[in-house]
Amino acid sequence: KAGVTQTPRYLIKTRGQQVTLSCSPISGHRSVSWYQQTPGQGLQFLFEYFSETQRNKGNFPGRFSGRQFSNSRSEMNVSTLELGDSALYLCASREQGGQPQHFGDGTRLSIL
Amino acid sequence: GQQVMQIPQYQHVQEGEDFTTYCNSSTTLSNIQWYKQRPGGHPVFLIQLVKSGEVKKQKRLTFQFGEAKKNSSLHITATQTTDVGTYFCAGLGDYKLSFGAGTTVTVRA
Repeated sequence: KAGVTQTPRYLIKTRGQQVTLSCSPISGHRSVSWYQQTPGQGLQFLFEYFSETQRNKGNFPGRFSGRQFSNSRSEMNVSTLELGDSALYLCASREQGGQPQHFGDGTRLSIL
Repeated sequence: GQQVMQIPQYQHVQEGEDFTTYCNSSTTLSNIQWYKQRPGGHPVFLIQLVKSGEVKKQKRLTFQFGEAKKNSSLHITATQTTDVGTYFCAGLGDYKLSFGAGTTVTVRA
């Protein structure tokens, strides 16, 4: 099976712009979670989608949003970008609750 | 809400020595998972512990789940340069997976 695929791998944006990141989970996995990783901050949970419904949400502002499609692919959108949004954004999929997460390579977002 | 604390944040180890990283949850967990992230890579699943008091081994790595299912540890013996990276624990509670901040391991040859 192909692993979790995230696109794009790298992205450079300027403050105030918006960005959309994409994640294709492993075939058969219905749960997709998004994380933000910055140096020294570990993995900060953004949200989790399961069967097109947001199941859990972390403590991020409303500028961060996501959705999941019927084929389980997921997108994450960040509006009005700020310098502090520069980070590695990781997507992870799993079959269902309790199962291990399988991570993609991430999208490295840089805000100028 | 559920919080998972992990210590130490950094571990500098002489090659051949042993070390342990600890994970503590504020609530009882359904299971605990451990991941390893190599520099420049993404987290990779290592193991999952489900039962109270469970102990699992993977070669030089020993994982334990506490009796109360609120804490866990990862012990590495005879550290090698291939052990470099950040080790994360993640506790599952109320269908939500919470990651610890990770222990970043460096090895002195």
